[in-house]
Amino acid sequence: DVVMTQSPLSLPVTLGQPASISCRSSQSLVYSDGNTFLNWFQQRPGQSPRRLIYKVSKRDSGVPDRFSGSGSGTDFTLKISRVEAEDVGVYYCMQGTHWPPYTFGQGTKLEIK
Amino acid sequence: EVQLLESGGGLVQPGGSLRLSCTASGFIFSNYWMTWLRQAPGKGLEWVANIKEDGSQKYYVDSVKGRFTISRDNAKNSLYLQMNSVGAEDTAMYYCARDEYPHYGSNYWGQGTLVTVSA
Repeated sequence: DVVMTQSPLSLPVTLGQPASISCRSSQSLVYSDGNTFLNWFQQRPGQSPRRLIYKVSKRDSGVPDRFSGSGSGTDFTLKISRVEAEDVGVYYCMQGTHWPPYTFGQGTKLEIK
Repeated sequence: EVQLLESGGGLVQPGGSLRLSCTASGFIFSNYWMTWLRQAPGKGLEWVANIKEDGSQKYYVDSVKGRFTISRDNAKNSLYLQMNSVGAEDTAMYYCARDEYPHYGSNYWGQGTLVTVSA
């Protein structure tokens, strides 16, 4: 199974400042068709997870443009350009290239300083 | 509006069985792969199983193979997870989710149903 490793696991951020979460996979996430299936999810406190980004960098409908995804191969990043209070929660990367099973990172808890 | 409503969770004894249900609305259920995921208390997300639109393909995480069975009834817009021989490691919030496409992960999730395995 592909192991997804996130860092940091805890991310205190000042409101209005940028934030960055790293996600690394144990093998390349490039699929045979050339696509890379790396997805990001947000889980706010007490809520179900919500997909933010799919295929590395494509934002889901309704996701603010302060969220962006980048990366290739085995190294990926989720960036928030200016953190807002509603961004508090846990962020997970998930690979969809080598399934089954789909596998998630451990999660990064973003909190406001 | 896409809605997914899970039910069937509760307290079950080790070695026991439980059947989770998920009722879908707001979309053409038979057009989508569906997935069960879970989250143990205070822990991260784990993909459990998924099923193709017509039920012809089913996949499971190794830890539940042979114990859990995913199924669907497209006429009833419903997804199921039959859980047998449960253990403490199966204690979790179980989420029903709709997949946009295979590989893309689930873009709609239910609110979850809590399963607690305890004597």
